[in-house]
Amino acid sequence: SAVISQKPSRDICQRGTSLTIQCQVDSQVTMMFWYRQQPGQSLTLIATANQGSEATYESGFVIDKFPISRPNLTFSTLTVSNMSPEDSSIYLCSARQGFTEAFFGQGTRLTVV
Amino acid sequence: AQSVTQLGSHVSVSEGALVLLRCNYSSSVPPYLFWYVQYPNQGLQLLLKYTTGATLVKGINGFEAEFKKSETSFHLTKPSAHMSDAAEYFCAVSERDTGRRALTFGSGTRLQVQP
Repeated sequence: SAVISQKPSRDICQRGTSLTIQCQVDSQVTMMFWYRQQPGQSLTLIATANQGSEATYESGFVIDKFPISRPNLTFSTLTVSNMSPEDSSIYLCSARQGFTEAFFGQGTRLTVV
Repeated sequence: AQSVTQLGSHVSVSEGALVLLRCNYSSSVPPYLFWYVQYPNQGLQLLLKYTTGATLVKGINGFEAEFKKSETSFHLTKPSAHMSDAAEYFCAVSERDTGRRALTFGSGTRLQVQP
């Protein structure tokens, strides 16, 4: 199994600013992902964080808004840029090794005011 | 493309009653299947998974699920509900043998347990 530490756990941010969320896995993993969970809804994949190359974004998500870094096999960051109230959500980091189950961090609860 | 449908956004049962949460998938090839639970203000915790072999899989906290290929279903059950089972439950799928490793989630089912 993998333990994922995500920080911050929550934040309240002013519109127009940016927030960087960090995700640390306690072991090397092949795949890391970032999901968004809007209030009362399911998880939507934002992007796959690729080690050493640009992230792969899902339809509706762009790099300028959600830049992602993955400098090694245990760490990734997601930045939410130029925030608006519509970005208020829970952002979840996930890791997966091969085709085993995916593990999740506790999430970052973001409120944009 | 694969997809997951969870029937019933809210399910309410009495303590001690049977829990049945429904999940159907759509995929050209039977996928890997998962059930996750999310408690308030927490991340997702794996309940159980089906990858291959026995179609009835047992998970944590007394939950189990049965993979039925003919029905493209993976329903979650628990014989006797406990108050601590109240949470949000997500069914998820992952493709086999492809480059796409991300899980696709259903819309979720909120389970309420009445005393």
